[in-house]
Amino acid sequence: ELKVEQNPLFLSMQEGKNYTIYCNYSTTSDRLYWYRQDPGKSLESLFVLLSNGAVKQEGRLMASLDTKARLSTLHITAAVHDLSATYFCAVGPIIQGAQKLVFGQGTRLTINP
Amino acid sequence: NAGVTQTPKFQVLKTGQSMTLQCAQDMNHNSMYWYRQDPGMGLRLIYYSASEGTTDKGEVPNGYNVSRLNKREFSLRLESAAPSQTSVYFCASSERSGRGVYEQYFGPGTRLTVT
Repeated sequence: ELKVEQNPLFLSMQEGKNYTIYCNYSTTSDRLYWYRQDPGKSLESLFVLLSNGAVKQEGRLMASLDTKARLSTLHITAAVHDLSATYFCAVGPIIQGAQKLVFGQGTRLTINP
Repeated sequence: NAGVTQTPKFQVLKTGQSMTLQCAQDMNHNSMYWYRQDPGMGLRLIYYSASEGTTDKGEVPNGYNVSRLNKREFSLRLESAAPSQTSVYFCASSERSGRGVYEQYFGPGTRLTVT
């Protein structure tokens, strides 16, 4: 059974600091996704990581994938208040053209001025 | 394009009542999904439809049924609602891109309370 674990689950940090969210998964999986969710809103896609060593960057967020360690990281550089949200990673097998995603529990990130 | 739409946005049911959550997408995607989100547990897949005419169980299918009405629409039915089904329900759709990505696009969600 595929399990996805994120840590930390809660993160409170000050603006300007750097931090990393970790996502571990238990079995070999195709493609890892990172999503952002604002309170009361839907999920917004951030990154798709396709292969070992993949690195994607968008603004102050950078995601990487190590398939051998079954680990993805989401690194936040010089955090700003606008990045406060809940971040999810998700992986899963592809079956007949659909991807059965298993999500991590989410990391609730609060950035204080 | 509206993307993925869901109705209703909010619903309150009494235990034992039935209801259907509706989902539609206008992106011509083959695959559609229903998830539930509970506090502290992330999203869990209830059912999915890889293509029109097919449906399959996800992680937590008990107490639910689905219908893929056509390529655009995928509905989720609760036959006899229970308080444990109080949750936020998200519909999503996806299509394989040229890069081999199956990115899922999510609807706005339905907040369901069962009393």
